[in-house]
Amino acid sequence: DGGITQSPKYLFRKEGQNVTLSCEQNLNHDAMYWYRQDPGQGLRLIYYSQIVNDFQKGDIAEGYSVSREKKESFPLTVTSAQKNPTAFYLCASMLYSGPNYGYTFGSGTRLTVV
Amino acid sequence: DAKTTQPNSMESNEEEPVHLPCNHSTISGTDYIHWYRQLPSQGPEYVIHGLTSNVNNRMASLAIAEDRKSSTLILHRATLRDAAVYYCILRSSNQGGKLIFGQGTELSVKP
Repeated sequence: DGGITQSPKYLFRKEGQNVTLSCEQNLNHDAMYWYRQDPGQGLRLIYYSQIVNDFQKGDIAEGYSVSREKKESFPLTVTSAQKNPTAFYLCASMLYSGPNYGYTFGSGTRLTVV
Repeated sequence: DAKTTQPNSMESNEEEPVHLPCNHSTISGTDYIHWYRQLPSQGPEYVIHGLTSNVNNRMASLAIAEDRKSSTLILHRATLRDAAVYYCILRSSNQGGKLIFGQGTELSVKP
Protein backbone atom coordinates (compact mmCIF):
# COMPACT_ATOMS: atom_id res chain seq x y z
CA ASP A 1 0.00 0.00 0.00
CA GLY A 2 1.20 3.52 -0.75
CA GLY A 3 1.83 5.96 2.03
CA ILE A 4 4.28 8.09 3.98
CA THR A 5 6.67 6.60 6.49
CA GLN A 6 8.25 8.69 9.20
CA SER A 7 11.00 7.33 11.39
CA PRO A 8 11.75 7.04 14.17
CA LYS A 9 8.44 7.36 16.01
CA TYR A 10 10.19 8.66 19.14
CA LEU A 11 13.56 10.41 19.24
CA PHE A 12 15.57 11.74 22.15
CA ARG A 13 18.31 14.29 21.62
CA LYS A 14 20.88 15.76 23.90
CA GLU A 15 21.28 19.50 23.85
CA GLY A 16 23.80 20.62 21.25
CA GLN A 17 23.27 17.61 18.97
CA ASN A 18 21.92 17.62 15.44
CA VAL A 19 19.33 14.97 14.61
CA THR A 20 17.75 13.94 11.32
CA LEU A 21 14.13 12.87 10.94
CA SER A 22 13.32 10.60 8.04
CA CYS A 23 10.33 10.97 5.70
CA GLU A 24 9.79 8.58 2.78
CA GLN A 25 6.77 8.34 0.47
CA ASN A 26 5.90 5.84 -2.26
CA LEU A 27 2.90 7.76 -3.58
CA ASN A 28 4.82 9.36 -6.47
CA HIS A 29 3.86 12.76 -5.06
CA ASP A 30 5.74 15.83 -6.27
CA ALA A 31 5.33 18.06 -3.21
CA MET A 32 6.48 17.33 0.34
CA TYR A 33 6.16 19.32 3.55
CA TRP A 34 7.42 19.41 7.14
CA TYR A 35 5.24 20.73 9.95
CA ARG A 36 5.82 21.14 13.65
CA GLN A 37 3.10 20.79 16.28
CA ASP A 38 3.41 21.90 19.90
CA PRO A 39 1.00 20.66 22.60
CA GLY A 40 -2.52 22.05 22.15
CA GLN A 41 -1.50 23.98 19.05
CA GLY A 42 -2.14 23.75 15.34
CA LEU A 43 0.55 22.81 12.85
CA ARG A 44 3.21 25.28 11.67
CA LEU A 45 5.12 24.92 8.41
CA ILE A 46 8.89 24.47 8.59
CA TYR A 47 9.99 23.71 5.01
CA TYR A 48 8.40 22.51 1.81
CA SER A 49 9.51 21.21 -1.55
CA GLN A 50 7.48 21.24 -4.74
CA ILE A 51 10.06 19.46 -6.88
CA VAL A 52 13.29 17.50 -6.53
CA ASN A 53 16.39 19.58 -5.74
CA ASP A 54 14.29 22.58 -4.74
CA PHE A 55 12.78 23.64 -1.41
CA GLN A 56 11.48 26.76 0.30
CA LYS A 57 11.40 28.01 3.87
CA GLY A 58 8.13 27.95 5.70
CA ASP A 59 7.08 30.10 8.62
CA ILE A 60 9.50 28.70 11.22
CA ALA A 61 12.59 27.51 9.28
CA GLU A 62 15.25 28.86 11.66
CA GLY A 63 17.30 26.06 13.20
CA TYR A 64 16.17 23.47 10.63
CA SER A 65 17.56 22.22 7.32
CA VAL A 66 16.24 19.91 4.61
CA SER A 67 17.28 18.25 1.37
CA ARG A 68 15.31 16.83 -1.55
CA GLU A 69 17.72 14.72 -3.58
CA LYS A 70 15.09 12.11 -4.45
CA LYS A 71 11.40 12.43 -5.14
CA GLU A 72 10.60 9.87 -2.46
CA SER A 73 12.62 11.36 0.37
CA PHE A 74 12.56 14.65 2.31
CA PRO A 75 14.67 14.39 5.48
CA LEU A 76 14.58 17.12 8.12
CA THR A 77 17.62 17.98 10.25
CA VAL A 78 17.01 19.69 13.56
CA THR A 79 20.21 21.55 14.31
CA SER A 80 21.65 22.75 17.61
CA ALA A 81 20.59 26.25 16.56
CA GLN A 82 16.93 25.34 17.13
CA LYS A 83 16.34 26.66 20.64
CA ASN A 84 13.19 24.75 21.48
CA PRO A 85 13.15 21.55 19.41
CA THR A 86 10.91 19.42 21.61
CA ALA A 87 7.76 18.92 19.53
CA PHE A 88 5.74 16.57 17.34
CA TYR A 89 7.03 16.65 13.75
CA LEU A 90 4.81 15.75 10.82
CA CYS A 91 5.74 15.11 7.22
CA ALA A 92 3.18 15.33 4.43
CA SER A 93 3.04 14.94 0.68
CA MET A 94 0.73 15.95 -2.11
CA LEU A 95 0.46 14.88 -5.74
CA TYR A 96 0.70 18.48 -6.89
CA SER A 97 0.81 21.67 -4.84
CA GLY A 98 -2.35 23.15 -6.36
CA PRO A 99 -5.32 23.99 -4.10
CA ASN A 100 -7.49 21.23 -5.53
CA TYR A 101 -5.39 18.46 -4.01
CA GLY A 102 -5.30 17.03 -0.52
CA TYR A 103 -2.36 16.14 1.72
CA THR A 104 -1.32 12.74 2.95
CA PHE A 105 0.36 12.92 6.35
CA GLY A 106 2.77 10.56 8.03
CA SER A 107 2.26 9.33 11.57
CA GLY A 108 4.80 11.74 13.04
CA THR A 109 8.03 11.77 15.03
CA ARG A 110 7.98 12.95 18.62
CA LEU A 111 11.30 14.63 19.42
CA THR A 112 12.34 15.26 23.01
CA VAL A 113 15.45 17.10 24.13
CA VAL A 114 16.97 15.60 27.28
CA ASP B 1 -4.11 34.82 3.93
CA ALA B 2 -7.81 34.34 4.43
CA LYS B 3 -8.68 33.05 7.91
CA THR B 4 -11.24 30.64 9.26
CA THR B 5 -13.16 30.70 12.53
CA GLN B 6 -14.34 27.52 14.24
CA PRO B 7 -15.81 26.78 17.67
CA ASN B 8 -13.20 25.48 20.08
CA SER B 9 -15.19 22.38 21.01
CA MET B 10 -18.39 20.49 20.29
CA GLU B 11 -20.10 17.45 21.71
CA SER B 12 -22.14 14.81 19.98
CA ASN B 13 -23.92 11.60 20.83
CA GLU B 14 -22.94 8.40 19.12
CA GLU B 15 -24.91 7.55 15.97
CA GLU B 16 -26.32 11.07 15.69
CA PRO B 17 -25.40 13.53 12.92
CA VAL B 18 -22.81 16.19 13.65
CA HIS B 19 -22.60 19.59 11.97
CA LEU B 20 -19.24 21.32 12.37
CA PRO B 21 -19.37 24.98 11.31
CA CYS B 22 -16.64 27.14 9.82
CA ASN B 23 -16.75 30.84 9.01
CA HIS B 24 -14.49 32.29 6.33
CA SER B 25 -15.88 35.70 5.51
CA THR B 26 -12.70 36.88 3.70
CA ILE B 27 -12.55 33.94 1.31
CA SER B 28 -11.52 34.79 -2.23
CA GLY B 29 -13.09 33.41 -5.36
CA THR B 30 -10.31 30.89 -6.00
CA ASP B 31 -9.88 29.59 -2.43
CA TYR B 32 -10.74 25.94 -1.86
CA ILE B 33 -12.23 24.87 1.47
CA HIS B 34 -10.44 21.87 2.96
CA TRP B 35 -11.20 19.84 6.08
CA TYR B 36 -8.76 17.65 7.97
CA ARG B 37 -9.07 15.84 11.26
CA GLN B 38 -6.45 14.76 13.75
CA LEU B 39 -6.72 12.01 16.32
CA PRO B 40 -4.48 12.24 19.40
CA SER B 41 -0.79 11.57 18.68
CA GLN B 42 -1.45 10.96 14.99
CA GLY B 43 -0.94 12.92 11.82
CA PRO B 44 -3.91 14.81 10.36
CA GLU B 45 -6.16 12.95 7.96
CA TYR B 46 -7.74 14.48 4.88
CA VAL B 47 -11.53 14.50 5.10
CA ILE B 48 -12.99 16.47 2.21
CA HIS B 49 -12.63 19.64 0.16
CA GLY B 50 -14.72 21.78 -2.16
CA LEU B 51 -14.89 25.07 -4.05
CA THR B 52 -18.52 26.08 -4.59
CA SER B 53 -20.79 23.06 -4.74
CA ASN B 54 -21.66 20.71 -1.90
CA VAL B 55 -19.48 17.61 -1.83
CA ASN B 56 -20.00 14.08 -0.53
CA ASN B 57 -17.56 11.27 0.07
CA ARG B 58 -17.46 8.12 2.17
CA MET B 59 -16.32 10.01 5.24
CA ALA B 60 -18.48 13.13 5.29
CA SER B 61 -20.38 15.81 3.42
CA LEU B 62 -19.39 19.42 2.92
CA ALA B 63 -22.10 22.03 2.65
CA ILE B 64 -20.91 25.39 1.29
CA ALA B 65 -23.02 28.52 1.70
CA GLU B 66 -24.11 30.24 -1.47
CA ASP B 67 -21.95 33.30 -0.71
CA ARG B 68 -19.09 30.94 0.32
CA LYS B 69 -18.51 32.84 3.55
CA SER B 70 -19.23 29.78 5.63
CA SER B 71 -19.28 26.03 5.34
CA THR B 72 -20.36 23.03 7.38
CA LEU B 73 -18.77 19.62 7.68
CA ILE B 74 -21.42 16.98 8.22
CA LEU B 75 -20.74 13.60 9.78
CA HIS B 76 -23.92 11.66 9.15
CA ARG B 77 -23.64 9.20 12.04
CA ALA B 78 -20.98 9.97 14.60
CA THR B 79 -18.98 7.08 16.02
CA LEU B 80 -16.53 7.04 18.90
CA ARG B 81 -13.73 6.91 16.31
CA ASP B 82 -14.81 10.31 15.00
CA ALA B 83 -13.63 12.02 18.21
CA ALA B 84 -10.82 14.26 16.95
CA VAL B 85 -9.80 17.84 16.27
CA TYR B 86 -11.32 19.03 13.01
CA TYR B 87 -9.56 21.74 11.01
CA CYS B 88 -11.21 23.93 8.39
CA ILE B 89 -8.55 25.40 6.08
CA LEU B 90 -8.63 27.65 3.04
CA ARG B 91 -6.19 26.91 0.23
CA SER B 92 -5.34 29.26 -2.59
CA SER B 93 -3.27 28.75 -5.69
CA ASN B 94 -0.52 31.16 -4.61
CA GLN B 95 0.44 29.42 -1.38
CA GLY B 96 2.75 26.75 -2.78
CA GLY B 97 0.47 24.11 -1.38
CA LYS B 98 0.85 25.31 2.21
CA LEU B 99 -1.82 24.47 4.75
CA ILE B 100 -2.36 27.16 7.37
CA PHE B 101 -3.81 25.50 10.44
CA GLY B 102 -5.92 27.28 13.04
CA GLN B 103 -6.93 25.82 16.39
CA GLY B 104 -9.70 23.64 15.01
CA THR B 105 -12.77 22.20 16.73
CA GLU B 106 -12.31 19.43 19.24
CA LEU B 107 -15.20 17.02 18.77
CA SER B 108 -16.09 14.64 21.58
CA VAL B 109 -18.54 11.80 21.00
CA LYS B 110 -20.53 10.35 23.88
CA PRO B 111 -21.68 6.72 23.81
